[in-house]
Amino acid sequence: GAGVSQSPSNKVTEKGKDVELRCDPISGHTALYWYRQSLGQGLEFLIYFQGNSAPDKSGLPSDRFSAERTGGSVSTLTIQRTQQEDSAVYLCASSVTRDREGDEKLFFGSGTQLSVL
Amino acid sequence: AQSVTQPDIHITVSEGASLELRCNYSYGATPYLFWYVQSPGQGLQLLLKYFSGDTLVQGIKGFEAEFKRSQSSFNLRKPSVHWSDAAEYFCAVGVGGMRFGAGTRLTVKP
Repeated sequence: GAGVSQSPSNKVTEKGKDVELRCDPISGHTALYWYRQSLGQGLEFLIYFQGNSAPDKSGLPSDRFSAERTGGSVSTLTIQRTQQEDSAVYLCASSVTRDREGDEKLFFGSGTQLSVL
Repeated sequence: AQSVTQPDIHITVSEGASLELRCNYSYGATPYLFWYVQSPGQGLQLLLKYFSGDTLVQGIKGFEAEFKRSQSSFNLRKPSVHWSDAAEYFCAVGVGGMRFGAGTRLTVKP
């Protein structure tokens, strides 16, 4: 597609359930990010994938959170045993990274609004 | 590790007044710096970015930002604010991974 696609756009789940959020980056983009934006808060970095390198998982808030990127394209963010404080908008972004010197413009998806009841 | 700080959580300015949003970064070398805007109900949009060269960069919608190495700052400015500029503004630093500040919410008074 033309942009970063995220699904579902909205997810309501019960506390304790597992959820999977999907991100389809722009074709050819080697870098993929997951961020979380809680109500009234800024963007919280979660995880960063760059090509075939080991992902930077330093932003994952707990071991209930995990993410993978298959084939260097689609990524799935999994939250196990969801808690109410996990409620937020989860944003995915991708970019074309020329080299190790820096990151180019990020293209963001529309996000997944997660509500944990 | 790189980090970015936006000291002002909320700023209110009158329409037509000038605007400056503050951003300070922490990084050992010259970072790559960005400003993004998020309008209500909208996604994030890149306003401008600084990689190297001229320290005053021009962006879209009449915004500009100045990189000051001595102050580790990259403040966003606009000479005359319009009501449509009301939004959340995020400063970001990116080398090997993008990190965002907490954001500054801009309210524009008529």
